[in-house]
Amino acid sequence: GESVGLHLPTLSVQEGDNSIINCAYSNSASDYFIWYKQESGKGPQFIIDIRSNMDKRQGQRVTVLLNKTVKHLSLQIAATQPGDSAVYFCAENKPGNQFYFGTGTSLTVIP
Amino acid sequence: EPEVTQTPSHQVTQMGQEVILRCVPISNHLYFYWYRQILGQKVEFLVSFYNNEISEKSEIFDDQFSVERPDGSNFTLKIRSTKLEDSAMYFCASSGAPGPHEQFFGPGTRLTVL
Repeated sequence: GESVGLHLPTLSVQEGDNSIINCAYSNSASDYFIWYKQESGKGPQFIIDIRSNMDKRQGQRVTVLLNKTVKHLSLQIAATQPGDSAVYFCAENKPGNQFYFGTGTSLTVIP
Repeated sequence: EPEVTQTPSHQVTQMGQEVILRCVPISNHLYFYWYRQILGQKVEFLVSFYNNEISEKSEIFDDQFSVERPDGSNFTLKIRSTKLEDSAMYFCASSGAPGPHEQFFGPGTRLTVL
């Protein structure tokens, strides 16, 4: 059965450094991916998305990389700020229009 | 900036009672979703809804759950007879387009079943 109270992977970075958060997805047929940020007590907040016909997409201070060969997604945050501290989830859209969320990574930015 | 809102922010109920969680999606969105997140666990898909019908539902969304769009603005999730394991954060989301597009999430309702 599923474990209760999953221990999130954690990442601590110094303010101003770059952060890289990784995610492995499960279904090679997934065609759309989103990175969400979730602050304590709040709902997931969209950061950036990427479709399966791309391998890189850039936003403001964020870049998402998609490696379909190994089913891996990463989120790069440039010049990380204290306000970036949160849990980051990747979500994959499998055929059938359901989003499946990853476990999440807890990012702590040290001022 | 338009946003999804949810009420109440926290609902406490006794096991076996019915609860209704309410959501007001973004006004021009037509696709609506419910997710739940048990404390410390993943966000899990429950159901999607479009044109007054359920489009997709997960295994979690059993006969105890139902959704409704009673008017032009609200989207509700009803749990008929709550169980202890229904305790979780419930998030509503909406989207302006079908299929794989960005979904905008509300702040969630924390449901505690005693």
